[in-house]
Amino acid sequence: DAKTTQPPSMDCAEGRAANLPCNHSTISGNEYVYWYRQIHSQGPQYIIHGLKNNETNEMASLIITEDRKSSTLILPHATLRDTAVYYCIAAYNQFYFGTGTSLTVIP
Amino acid sequence: GAVVSQHPSWVICKSGTSVKIECRSLDFQATTMFWYRQFPKQSLMLMATSNEGSKATYEQGVEKDKFLINHASLTLSTLTVTSAHPEDSSFYICSASALAGIRTDTQYFGPGTRLTVL
Repeated sequence: DAKTTQPPSMDCAEGRAANLPCNHSTISGNEYVYWYRQIHSQGPQYIIHGLKNNETNEMASLIITEDRKSSTLILPHATLRDTAVYYCIAAYNQFYFGTGTSLTVIP
Repeated sequence: GAVVSQHPSWVICKSGTSVKIECRSLDFQATTMFWYRQFPKQSLMLMATSNEGSKATYEQGVEKDKFLINHASLTLSTLTVTSAHPEDSSFYICSASALAGIRTDTQYFGPGTRLTVL
């Protein structure tokens, strides 16, 4: 599975959009990009995933560059409950978690 | 939908004893289940992958005789930590997916089990 690189931490003001970047320059053609988040001492929560096209669901939007070497997770209106560690994973079957981005939403 | 439960949520045991952790998919059939562990302030580490009715595949460095995995049904997988020692104390998390392990699929995670070995 491709290795992913994410900034270790980010802050975002409550109510603003949170844009979380992820680099996966070695991603192969059959690997999907998955995003999960983990709130302290809980299991990871699925957010969204995609292969080539941009995706949107009730939680977030996923923007994947045309060359698929990077992606951005967008939380459109961040709330305090979005404070968590966000993991970007490029995988075909097994998931190998990187260090993720610790997002802090500030009141 | 796609709810995964784990039991127990936390357990404390004495060194040398065995501990069994259950992982259940509540509203879907889990062809493949995964077991992870997470040490404090670290990321999740994949321990093993199991397909229903087959032997688990362990990641390099994970002792298969110490971490026994059984995936006997499409809704239940168990992880048994045998002869637990303090260094096995960790947060154990399972996940489940509906497709066979050779194809990509969304994994749904359980809430985790906190194991403390005294």
